[in-house]
Amino acid sequence: QLQLQESGPGLVKPSETLSLTCTVSGGSISGSTYYWGWIRQPPGKGLEWIGSIYYSGSTYYNPSLKSRVTVSVDTSKNQFSLKLSSVTAADTAVYYCARHRARSPLNYWGQGILVTVSS
Amino acid sequence: DIQMSQSPSSLSASVGDRVTITCRASQSISTYLNWYQQKPGKAPKLLIYAASSLESGVPSRFSGSGSGTDFTLTISSLQPEDPASYYCQQSYSTPFTFGGGTKVEI
Repeated sequence: QLQLQESGPGLVKPSETLSLTCTVSGGSISGSTYYWGWIRQPPGKGLEWIGSIYYSGSTYYNPSLKSRVTVSVDTSKNQFSLKLSSVTAADTAVYYCARHRARSPLNYWGQGILVTVSS
Repeated sequence: DIQMSQSPSSLSASVGDRVTITCRASQSISTYLNWYQQKPGKAPKLLIYAASSLESGVPSRFSGSGSGTDFTLTISSLQPEDPASYYCQQSYSTPFTFGGGTKVEI
């Protein structure tokens, strides 16, 4: 059974860079046709897709965040990562990692990690 | 970006009631529409994909319909375990976008 697990700091200072890692178990991140994505949810609010990466390294970002986001993949560790720069309080959210195929639903999700931006 | 709007934003129903949630896309998305259920403190769970296909393991009381811009999620008989927030999401094009959610209460 495929499992995804987010990890990283739960507290980040304003103007710094948020860095999270998603570790994939029960399957290879290099499996063809799969994309690996990040989604976030501010407390009490809805879901926002941040971006996705194909195992080959091709990336797709939400234009609203594109200037601050980098998603990368480490196939040797079966992990992919999110970096969000210049964070503000508005970036406080639960961050989820997930798997999908092209034009397909997000069918496997991590449990989520709460990241708070505060000094 | 394709905007997704859901209605109602919340509803209260009784056990056994038929519940309908609607989702509208700002442009045609064919049937690239997915529905998720999210309970407090949990990740979203896929219920319906491609507008009307039931994800494996999801009870048959959940069903989806629609194409183009208008979609519906129906719970045929609301059960005590169904209170949650429900979200639609388009996977037609990036950026993938979600509806604002519908909170279902009993």
